[in-house]
Amino acid sequence: EAGVAQSPRYKIIEKRQSVAFWCNPISGHATLYWYQQILGQGPKLLIQFQNNGVVDDSQLPKDRFSAERLKGVDSTLKIQPAKLEDSAVYLCASSTYRGFSYEQYFGPGTRLTVT
Amino acid sequence: GESVGLHLPTLSVQEGDNSIINCAYSNSASDYFIWYKQESGKGPQFIIDIRSNMDKRQGQRVTVLLNKTVKHLSLQIAATQPGDSAVYFCAENGGTGFQKLVFGTGTRLLVSP
Repeated sequence: EAGVAQSPRYKIIEKRQSVAFWCNPISGHATLYWYQQILGQGPKLLIQFQNNGVVDDSQLPKDRFSAERLKGVDSTLKIQPAKLEDSAVYLCASSTYRGFSYEQYFGPGTRLTVT
Repeated sequence: GESVGLHLPTLSVQEGDNSIINCAYSNSASDYFIWYKQESGKGPQFIIDIRSNMDKRQGQRVTVLLNKTVKHLSLQIAATQPGDSAVYFCAENGGTGFQKLVFGTGTRLLVSP
């Protein structure tokens, strides 16, 4: 089974520029998540989709971050304009029910550096 | 607010030893907990999970213990191997079901041969 795919793997931009990340979840997984992981910290949930609908975006800075999941499969996360504090790894995950719980499978992440 | 913390930022063990990684959580509403392993340059990988109606759950070489009285979670790794070297995160759900997780800051496990 193919894992969660993300691109690009690395991105360097200047502050005030815009950037977009792409995620392709595991086939058949209805739930998709975007996390932000700042160096030395655990992942923090930004947004959760169920199919193409938003379940939770309470921690998404909506003045600069946006995300969409068209057709309930692939998803993109955009930052516009970027700030220095947005430097982090952006992780995408998808989940499926395993009979005990929902196991989240993570992609390799996109490392964003804002200069 | 919700917070999940770890007692030790770095744990160094010898190959073959048993490792114990600890985690304290503060949200008494949490009823689901997970341990993740994250290797450098990779996303977190699921290790084992436990519900609050359990005190202990075992997997392959790993055991998770939950003490709800003191809000403490631990991960035990038997016969630790160099391939176990990684950062380990505990996560809790804050009583929100199985899918919304709050992660701790992580413990780095270093295994020397």
